[in-house]
Amino acid sequence: EVQLVQSGAEVKKPGESLRISCKGSGYSFTSYWISWVRQMPGKGLEWMGRIDPSDSYTNYSPSFQGHVTISADKSISTAYLQWSSLKASDTAMYYCARLKAAAGRSFHFDYWGQGTLVTVSS
Amino acid sequence: QSALTQPASVSGSPGQSITISCTGTSSDVGSYNLVSWYQQHPGKAPKLMIYEGSKRPSGVSNRFSGSKSGNTASLTISGLQAEDEADYYCCSYAGSSTFGVFGTGTKVTVL
Repeated sequence: EVQLVQSGAEVKKPGESLRISCKGSGYSFTSYWISWVRQMPGKGLEWMGRIDPSDSYTNYSPSFQGHVTISADKSISTAYLQWSSLKASDTAMYYCARLKAAAGRSFHFDYWGQGTLVTVSS
Repeated sequence: QSALTQPASVSGSPGQSITISCTGTSSDVGSYNLVSWYQQHPGKAPKLMIYEGSKRPSGVSNRFSGSKSGNTASLTISGLQAEDEADYYCCSYAGSSTFGVFGTGTKVTVL
């Protein structure tokens, strides 16, 4: 059974750093990209970026480029999303999702993690 | 890259059919047959309902169907049921620089 299990909820102060995780199981972790998706309170889904766990190549949405870093450790089948300096506006639910993509032929998120709630407040 | 445009809400009675539109541009929806649709119940993670425009993953009811015309994709739910009440989001591939863009989301209410 394919599963993506995310780390638990976090409460941080503005300016602090944070790394959240997403562990894949039940499939070959290096055969599928992992994406991160933000959902701010009461708002819609926003695609943040993706990583190819086989070589750690990343792409970011222009809206998130430079604000977050996506990484992966294929030896433990885990992807990460990290911030170096959090802002109150980073308060949101963050989902990881397995991205099935092939140039021009497929692009969809077939499995999702349960979400990690990040709250940034002074 | 702007979000794809969806109606904020759509409603229908049990047994009826409803259609949710997802309007993009010639750079995303219009250029690729790579629109997917996701159902999200309150407090839950999204679930893939339709991919590559009209394909259903295993386990998804055949009451859900997808189509596309020009820059607009559509999701139709036939035989509306109470369990279909949820938020629905479309998503399109938008090229190798932008990659993915989601729709604004539609709240489906079963009357």
